[in-house]
Amino acid sequence: SQQGEEDPQALSIQEGENATMNCSYKTSINNLQWYRQNSGRGLVHLILIRSNEREKHSGRLRVTLDTSKKSSSLLITASRAADTASYFCATDGFGNEKLTFGTGTRLTIIP
Amino acid sequence: DAGITQSPRYKITETGRQVTLMCHQTWSHSYMFWYRQDLGHGLRLIYYSAAADITDKGEVPDGYVVSRSKTENFPLTLESATRSQTSVYFCASSDPGHQETQYFGPGTRLLVL
Repeated sequence: SQQGEEDPQALSIQEGENATMNCSYKTSINNLQWYRQNSGRGLVHLILIRSNEREKHSGRLRVTLDTSKKSSSLLITASRAADTASYFCATDGFGNEKLTFGTGTRLTIIP
Repeated sequence: DAGITQSPRYKITETGRQVTLMCHQTWSHSYMFWYRQDLGHGLRLIYYSAAADITDKGEVPDGYVVSRSKTENFPLTLESATRSQTSVYFCASSDPGHQETQYFGPGTRLLVL
């Protein structure tokens, strides 16, 4: 069974707008990560946030984590056509090197 | 610097045939993983390996066999392919110092007729 579920399943926005996608998970985690997958390609790691962190930034990416609600959000600011991809959250437990992925959000940036 | 590669990239086979998907990484990462990706299910872990000669089952191991005789290679074998194994298969590896982050290969698209 999936640990994480992303919301929405699909999102279309105009280029330049901000995109927000959410991830909910079921059990306690050590870390939460976000990955991007371009069509027909493998996943690429974007950002990792640890369970004792609440917010993290990397370039145009901002990730928040609320462990009390078991949820995370990924914000992409000033979106570009190249951001069109599927985005997945992934969690791992303490002492557990395995990742559990959500079902992903498909983001489309309209030029 | 090839990173992590998978072969073949595309494969068509018939029900009942044995198929082996190859995965090779050049980073000497200790951990390697096999996932399948299906619509509506995201990525599901099939098998993983912590080091050469150490493998363990993931969420959906039935019908698959793995081996890891060398650190850099982690082949996945479908002993008797079934139509339900039609999927996209991804191999991944992780750095001993940063085991949380995984690096993915380009995938193998498998069709079982």
